[in-house]
Amino acid sequence: RKEVEQDPGPFNVPEGATVAFNCTYSNSASQSFFWYRQDCRKEPKLLMSVYSSGNEDGRFTAQLNRASQYISLLIRDSKLSDSATYLCVVNPKPLSGYALNFGKGTSLLVTP
Amino acid sequence: NAGVTQTPKFRVLKTGQSMTLLCAQDMNHEYMYWYRQDPGMGLRLIHYSVGEGTTAKGEVPDGYNVSRLKKQNFLLGLESAAPSQTSVYFCASSYSIGQGASRQPQHFGDGTRLSIL
Repeated sequence: RKEVEQDPGPFNVPEGATVAFNCTYSNSASQSFFWYRQDCRKEPKLLMSVYSSGNEDGRFTAQLNRASQYISLLIRDSKLSDSATYLCVVNPKPLSGYALNFGKGTSLLVTP
Repeated sequence: NAGVTQTPKFRVLKTGQSMTLLCAQDMNHEYMYWYRQDPGMGLRLIHYSVGEGTTAKGEVPDGYNVSRLKKQNFLLGLESAAPSQTSVYFCASSYSIGQGASRQPQHFGDGTRLSIL
């Protein structure tokens, strides 16, 4: 089983829509969780960390369910500039220098 | 502030040639990493370093070697390039701040696109 699994999409949504991505992870001892954004042929960039109580950053809301080993990202009022691949990222445990396990990403296309 | 800088940005090699990819960071980060990204595979860790003079294997280390002689630099070497090593290579770095280190995000360079013919 892959450490971090995501629906690859693509998700095609109209501008202004709300879209949600889900991610599951296999290691119950995982320490920390992130969502990264990657634009085509560019480097991954941190979008937001995911905290146990859930957290919000503007139009973006992240949730963590440790019991189900499940992470979500909700994007409200989608903008054209949100088009990108969203990577679910998990830090399994602090042994491998905090190296991260990356999902393969979910592709989002926001259309006018 | 440059952040994480990778050189070169593009390179084409012939099978059997060797080369070194350089990663430099100016954020005084302890941890550095090399990943490769292939279509449909996501990012996979090749090697990493938790400090100057130390390196360790990641998920896909075969065919690569690394060195961390200076804290700010992490070098990835291909001794005898193979077509299977055609990929986009990303270097990343992150802080080590005790127990909070696991929550520190990784900062990525903008990648090296390597083709092996």
